[in-house]
Amino acid sequence: QQQVKQSPQSLIVQKGGISIINCAYENTAFDYFPWYQQFPGKGPALLIAIRPDVSEKKEGRFTISFNKSAKQFSLHIMDSQPGDSATYFCAARFPYGTASKLTFGTGTRLQVTL
Amino acid sequence: SQTIHQWPATLVQPVGSPLSLECTVEGTSNPNLYWYRQAAGRGLQLLFYSVGIGQISSEVPQNLSASRPQDRQFILSSKKLLLSDSGFYLCAWSPGQGWPSYEQYFGPGTRLTVT
Repeated sequence: QQQVKQSPQSLIVQKGGISIINCAYENTAFDYFPWYQQFPGKGPALLIAIRPDVSEKKEGRFTISFNKSAKQFSLHIMDSQPGDSATYFCAARFPYGTASKLTFGTGTRLQVTL
Repeated sequence: SQTIHQWPATLVQPVGSPLSLECTVEGTSNPNLYWYRQAAGRGLQLLFYSVGIGQISSEVPQNLSASRPQDRQFILSSKKLLLSDSGFYLCAWSPGQGWPSYEQYFGPGTRLTVT
């Protein structure tokens, strides 16, 4: 019940295209859903996040769509650029006091081609 | 602004040797601190978290331990390393009080290879 399932494992998108990464969860107690971007050899960087009382959040070219009834959420990268090539992780927070205990998906390696 | 540091950046250690990885956070007080391990091509696994000095919660039974001797310092240790301890170790912090307390920020990581 603590798992977050992420797909696809890898994704190739042409420059200017839309990249879509999906995640699904089982535990309805999760209360916060962030996405992280990680470049090789670097720590993950927080990209965008959403609370379950919101169905969509947009920041620049990045949009999270959240479907509470289906227990799914997705990251959309509009106008994908070669600089977006990285590994993306979804995560979900389990509420436990003040700590932010995150369960991560297994990651999606995105490659944006010219 | 807040900054998180980890050292060393890379480490090669023989099996059976001890380990000490350090993480410090600047620009904030009373943070929640976390240690994660990332195996090659895999997601992140939470190992330990701390909500205050001397307060450590373990998520995964293993031969690793963590300590928080100061408010903004978090240390990951082992008395005897195993081959399976190889990986990319990441320290992270989140605000300990107030909003937003959910956002978690990662350090640059330590690449550990046990030979």
